Amino acid sequence: GIQVEQSPPDLILQEGANSTLRCNFSDSVNNLQWFHQNPWGQLINLFYIPSGTKQNGRLSATTVATERYSLLYISSSQTTDSGVYFCAVGSGGYQKVTFGIGTKLQVIP
Amino acid sequence: EPEVTQTPSHQVTQMGQEVILRCVPISNHLYFYWYRQILGQKVEFLVSFYNNEISEKSEIFDDQFSVERPDGSNFTLKIRSTKLEDSAMYFCASEGLGLPNEQFFGPGTRLTVL
Repeated sequence: GIQVEQSPPDLILQEGANSTLRCNFSDSVNNLQWFHQNPWGQLINLFYIPSGTKQNGRLSATTVATERYSLLYISSSQTTDSGVYFCAVGSGGYQKVTFGIGTKLQVIP
Repeated sequence: EPEVTQTPSHQVTQMGQEVILRCVPISNHLYFYWYRQILGQKVEFLVSFYNNEISEKSEIFDDQFSVERPDGSNFTLKIRSTKLEDSAMYFCASEGLGLPNEQFFGPGTRLTVL
């Protein structure tokens, strides 16, 4: 099956700093989603981005499908950005998605 | 904005008891999924469901698990005889027909088996 690698596994930022999270995947995909898992365990959908670039406020994401990676940018980080960020990919429609192990982000004041 | 809902948010049960986790997918979606996340680990696929049949299941989804769409709105996961290792967060997801192939996840049910 498809392999998903996320880096870094852990990240500590000072409030206001910027960061880049990376997701590498082993096969072509037609579904790539970024999630933020909040302290209550809920998965908050950030982006559906199998290719191209999207922006939503301080967050943006870019997927380069031909090179099999996606990047999540967080600018001007806030303490509420803390949590685990997951990348999930799917290689076919109406099929399971495979999650990476996540990047645990801690933003300190 | 339509969303996937799950009940209960937290369930505590004794080992060996049966539990049913409930999900209400987005109303016009046709593809349904269950995933689970053991504490501190990544989210794992359990089962996919379409047209009242299981489409795919993982090795985790053994005979203790079953899924059902008992009516036009609910999608359930039943664990027949819970084990300690079934303690996890269980997420339901649904997907609509056509593009985009985006899965919408519910908020999860935290299952604690004592």
